[in-house]
Amino acid sequence: AQSVTQLDSQVPVFEEAPVELRCNYSSSVSVYLFWYVQYPNQGLQLLLKYLSGSTLVESINGFEAEFNKSQTSFHLRKPSVHISDTAEYFCAVRVIQGAQKLVFGQGTRLTINP
Amino acid sequence: KAGVTQTPRYLIKTRGQQVTLSCSPISGHRSVSWYQQTPGQGLQFLFEYFSETQRNKGNFPGRFSGRQFSNSRSEMNVSTLELGDSALYLCASSLQADRNPLHFGNGTRLTVT
Repeated sequence: AQSVTQLDSQVPVFEEAPVELRCNYSSSVSVYLFWYVQYPNQGLQLLLKYLSGSTLVESINGFEAEFNKSQTSFHLRKPSVHISDTAEYFCAVRVIQGAQKLVFGQGTRLTINP
Repeated sequence: KAGVTQTPRYLIKTRGQQVTLSCSPISGHRSVSWYQQTPGQGLQFLFEYFSETQRNKGNFPGRFSGRQFSNSRSEMNVSTLELGDSALYLCASSLQADRNPLHFGNGTRLTVT
């Protein structure tokens, strides 16, 4: 079975400061990795994904995440956050060539203070 | 292209009743999954349908069921509602399988009183 641990339930930062949201996973088989973002009263939006290839993946709004196989981590980073980044962020894994089922972490609430 | 559409957005039901939630996937997507989101348990997988067949099922009691129609639209049903069923129910669709990410709807907020 797979599991995902998001090490911080809440992360407060000041606007324009850098941020890192941590995600570790456990799986006996290879997985795909995802970060989703959820704004209030909305569903989940895909932020970025790691399927294969370069271990550093980037989103269009300045977030990036690096897959580290040896540490089984997929931390999310942004060098300079904006008020509009306030949301809950979920890390998720899915088994390669397995069930179409995402296993989510508990989420990290990112709060940006002016 | 229209996104995943879930109806209704909000529902209030009484304990013991049953409820049906609806999901229309993105055009061309044949896989539809359902997730339950609660503050305590987080996001939990309910089931996944592909071409009208249930492919995967999570660890939920039999009161939770679903189906998929030939146009890929899906419904989930919860019978004999309990207070603990209060949650945000999210539907997600994707292209056939594997490398394709899931696209989520805005959810149906179910409150059981």
